[in-house]
Amino acid sequence: KAGVTQTPRYLIKTRGQQVTLSCSPISGHRSVSWYQQTPGQGLQFLFEYFSETQRNKGNFPGRFSGRQFSNSRSEMNVSTLELGDSALYLCASSTTDRADIQYFGAGTRLSVL
Amino acid sequence: ILNVEQSPQSLHVQEGDSTNFTCSFPSSNFYALHWYRWETAKSPEALFVMTLNGDEKKKGRISATLNTKEGYSYLYIKGSQPEDSATYLCAAMIYNQGGKLIFGQGTELSVKP
Repeated sequence: KAGVTQTPRYLIKTRGQQVTLSCSPISGHRSVSWYQQTPGQGLQFLFEYFSETQRNKGNFPGRFSGRQFSNSRSEMNVSTLELGDSALYLCASSTTDRADIQYFGAGTRLSVL
Repeated sequence: ILNVEQSPQSLHVQEGDSTNFTCSFPSSNFYALHWYRWETAKSPEALFVMTLNGDEKKKGRISATLNTKEGYSYLYIKGSQPEDSATYLCAAMIYNQGGKLIFGQGTELSVKP
């Protein structure tokens, strides 16, 4: 069974640009969550999608948005990039059970110059 | 703001030593507690998910306990090996916010041969 796939693995952007990250969950998983990891902050929850609907949202500005498609694949978009958006972005998928294990992808390393 | 605290921040032990880490989380509206292991350059890997007060889980030399009334969980590693070197993360899930994991900062374990 294929794991969670995130693309691209690395990305370099400049301030003001926008970026889209992609996450393909494990087959059969309908929940996809996104997390941001920065050196001083640890893993911070961005949002969770389940059956194409945003089910939960973290405390991030509106520049961070996401969506989920009917095949459960998810994308995350960051508009008007700031230097502080440089981070590792991880997505995780799980089954319909909210307490179930989350399976993480390898992440996308975003650098904003 | 819900906080999940982990201690210690880092731990350096010799091969064969047994270790334990602590995770503290808000006990009100508790739903589930996750433990993950994160090795450098890899994805976080789930160890345990616990939901019931008094839960005990075991996987090889690693075990965990849960006290939901007082809001803490312990992770134990018996006879640490160099391959146990990693960051161990705990994350709490709150009722009515299923799918959203609130992570602690992690405990970085280094096991010397």
